[in-house]
Amino acid sequence: DQQVKQNSPSLSVQEGRISILNCDYTNSMFDYFLWYKKYPAEGPTFLISISSIKDKNEDGRFTVFLNKSAKHLSLHIVPSQPGDSAVYFCAASGSSNTGKLIFGQGTTLQVKP
Amino acid sequence: DTAVSQTPKYLVTQMGNDKSIKCEQNLGHDTMYWYKQDSKKFLKIMFSYNNKELIINETVPNRFSPKSPDKAHLNLHINSLELGDSAVYFCASSPPLGQGTYTFGSGTRLTVV
Repeated sequence: DQQVKQNSPSLSVQEGRISILNCDYTNSMFDYFLWYKKYPAEGPTFLISISSIKDKNEDGRFTVFLNKSAKHLSLHIVPSQPGDSAVYFCAASGSSNTGKLIFGQGTTLQVKP
Repeated sequence: DTAVSQTPKYLVTQMGNDKSIKCEQNLGHDTMYWYKQDSKKFLKIMFSYNNKELIINETVPNRFSPKSPDKAHLNLHINSLELGDSAVYFCASSPPLGQGTYTFGSGTRLTVV
């Protein structure tokens, strides 16, 4: 039973355009959501997060949107750059304070020059 | 100076063997984790330790035993390795109630033949 799902395994966009990565979750108890970025042969690195009390969080070229009623979040990257090519993982945590994160299976983004 | 370091990076071993993966963090974090990335690319939590105390133990076979000699180290020992144990294992750490901002190691790719 996968509680966090990223239904698009891959996405290809042109440099300078917007990249939109999507994530759906099923557990309404999740209250914190994160995006991680992973390059080959490296561990995931934290990118941006959002609390369930917000619907948008922006950090430079990266914006995360949260739609709680739809149990959906998305990551927008604009403008996309070739260096953004990586695997992006969506993750969620609940209020148990154990620090446990539930991850999606990732979306591979390719930004073409 | 690597924040979360795992050794070895690659491990190829025969079925039935016993092996260990080591993890060390120099971030002063209280909480450490082991995650497994399976063939379907999902990152799934296995264990979590907070200040040397086990706080999360997901449904993992008894052949897997974590050990935390101090809060900077969390090792993973695997007995009687099976083909299905082949995966990438990631260690991570986070500050207390860090809202999931893990720092990951670069991963250990375990191949059981």
